[in-house]
Amino acid sequence: DAGVTQSPTHLIKTRGQHVTLRCSPISGHKSVSWYQQVLGQGPQFIFQYYEKEERGRGNFPDRFSARQFPNYSSELNVNALLLGDSALYLCASSFRGWAPVERSLYEQYFGPGTRLTVT
Amino acid sequence: ILNVEQSPQSLHVQEGDSTNFTCSFPSSNFYALHWYRWETAKSPEALFVMTLNGDEKKKGRISATLNTKEGYSYLYIKGSQPEDSATYLCALFRDDKIIFGKGTRLHILP
Repeated sequence: DAGVTQSPTHLIKTRGQHVTLRCSPISGHKSVSWYQQVLGQGPQFIFQYYEKEERGRGNFPDRFSARQFPNYSSELNVNALLLGDSALYLCASSFRGWAPVERSLYEQYFGPGTRLTVT
Repeated sequence: ILNVEQSPQSLHVQEGDSTNFTCSFPSSNFYALHWYRWETAKSPEALFVMTLNGDEKKKGRISATLNTKEGYSYLYIKGSQPEDSATYLCALFRDDKIIFGKGTRLHILP
């Protein structure tokens, strides 16, 4: 079975531009989460989607948005790029999402990431 | 602001030696703690999902314990091997968010 895939692998953008990152979860997984990882830091949670609905959001500005499609793949969009948006963007899929009553019992499987450089 | 602390930041261990490191977190409203191993040029790989106070999980030479009342988890590696060189991350699940620590970078010396 294929693992989590992300595209593109690398991307260079200019300040002020917009970017779309894509993620395909493991077959059968219905939840996708997005993370931003800056060198020297742990991954920062951006969004979680489960069954095409946003189920959680981290402390990121409204320039960041995401959606999940009927086939459970997902896109992360970032508008008005800033130099500080340069990072590795990781996508993770899990069988189910984590919610207050489900208590995150399911492992997350990470993709290889998209390296975004903003100049 | 919720903080998940991992210590030490970096660790050098002789091949064959055993080692352990710590993940500390706020104990209130605990949901679950995940441990991940992240090797260079690869994706983070889930090691353990821990939910109950007193949980002990084991996978080969690696094991983990959880104390939710005092807010810490230990990861142990027995008889370190070169393939154990990686960054080990813990992640706290709470409410509808997940907070990662900065990781412990483990170097195994031949």
